[in-house]
Amino acid sequence: EAQVTQNPRYLITVTGKKLTVTCSQNMNHEYMSWYRQDPGLGLRQIYYSMNVEVTDKGDVPEGYKVSRKEKRNFPLILESPSPNQTSLYFCASSLDPMGNYGYTFGSGTRLTVV
Amino acid sequence: GENVEQHPSTLSVQEGDSAVIKCTYSDSASNYFPWYKQELGKGPQLIIDIRSNVGEKKDQRIAVTLNKTAKHFSLHITETQPEDSAVYFCAASRRPHSGGYQKVTFGIGTKLQVIP
Repeated sequence: EAQVTQNPRYLITVTGKKLTVTCSQNMNHEYMSWYRQDPGLGLRQIYYSMNVEVTDKGDVPEGYKVSRKEKRNFPLILESPSPNQTSLYFCASSLDPMGNYGYTFGSGTRLTVV
Repeated sequence: GENVEQHPSTLSVQEGDSAVIKCTYSDSASNYFPWYKQELGKGPQLIIDIRSNVGEKKDQRIAVTLNKTAKHFSLHITETQPEDSAVYFCAASRRPHSGGYQKVTFGIGTKLQVIP
């Protein structure tokens, strides 16, 4: 089944403790992206990657890092999480970074930083 | 940059009635307009899209219309069913003049409740 898989689904952590949210897609998509979803703010892009070793900042990149060492994986790294990073996170991929196709989203990771 | 406004933020309809969600965009160069449905506990799922060279597109009970002059597009759901209850997001995207990837801007979402 074609899908984007995120792990974990739920995570509670403490301020300052480094964490990684994994994302993997099995569709051979070139383009991958991370979004956060907050009430009243919709989906905001954190980082995106157009291909292996090609990443760039989205609209809200502060406090996050990403890497794209292989085509299928695009982990999101929070080096020193803070409470304002409590949110619902989605990984997404697309066949075409030029926007000719929509996104396939993962099921989400609900992160709570205390 | 692009700004996408979505209305209403919440919508309640009786089962069998129609539902309409409207979005406006600011960048006249936007050329791709997808709609996503997010069910509780799941990620958004693409349900229909329309490109700027088309005025209307239909897929069974859902349809999308685009008015490029007025820079607005709408999602229409007919004969609503309880399983249509979800959050719906509109989006607009364009390809930069300088090339590169097509940036997508999402609306804030509409929570649709279909009352049995």
